[in-house]
Amino acid sequence: GAVVSQHPSRVICKSGTSVKIECRSLDFQATTMFWYRQFPKKSLMLMATSNEGSKATYEQGVEKDKFLINHASLTLSTLTVTSAHPEDSSFYICSCEGSGNTIYFGEGSWLTVV
Amino acid sequence: QQPVQSPQAVILREGEDAVINCSSSKALYSVHWYRQKHGEAPVFLMILLKGGEQKGHEKISASFNEKKQQSSLYLTASQLSYSGTYFCGTERPGNTGKLIFGQGTTLQVKP
Repeated sequence: GAVVSQHPSRVICKSGTSVKIECRSLDFQATTMFWYRQFPKKSLMLMATSNEGSKATYEQGVEKDKFLINHASLTLSTLTVTSAHPEDSSFYICSCEGSGNTIYFGEGSWLTVV
Repeated sequence: QQPVQSPQAVILREGEDAVINCSSSKALYSVHWYRQKHGEAPVFLMILLKGGEQKGHEKISASFNEKKQQSSLYLTASQLSYSGTYFCGTERPGNTGKLIFGQGTTLQVKP
């Protein structure tokens, strides 16, 4: 079964509203989680590193005030897309590192902003 | 820096072989390979950790040349189910868990 759960799997929101996506590690604790974004027919691009108990580290070009990341516990990281616009419509996916260097991905979340 | 994958796209007939390459300009700790089908999350294929390491999974295998900072994915006797987009994800020393993905290679297997 899944070891990383992501929710919701699909969400449609209105332009200007905010959307929260959750990423949970089910069988292990993750002090670090990673958030990626994938536009259609493009690669997965790392957005940020989510650190439990401290601020997230954002990749160059990713607006930290627009993509709020909270990692309040060892099993949960959330990504909030604030004031969403149609260009934010994308596939968002999280990952965490488990034992043995294995990286587990969530199922991904499809965001459509209308 | 994003690793470079080649080729960008491959079309095969069932039963044919293919090689997908992944090359980085930076030193690597590991290389991960994923396959993604349209509309789905990427599926993990394998991870290569050591230079010169080779791994196999049924008819899919891979090698990692740490010195050359390259990895190759070998698909033998391809099946229709192999169709999809293949991504390599590279981990750098000191940044484990953080994957930087190549641009992807689209593989289409035809009957």
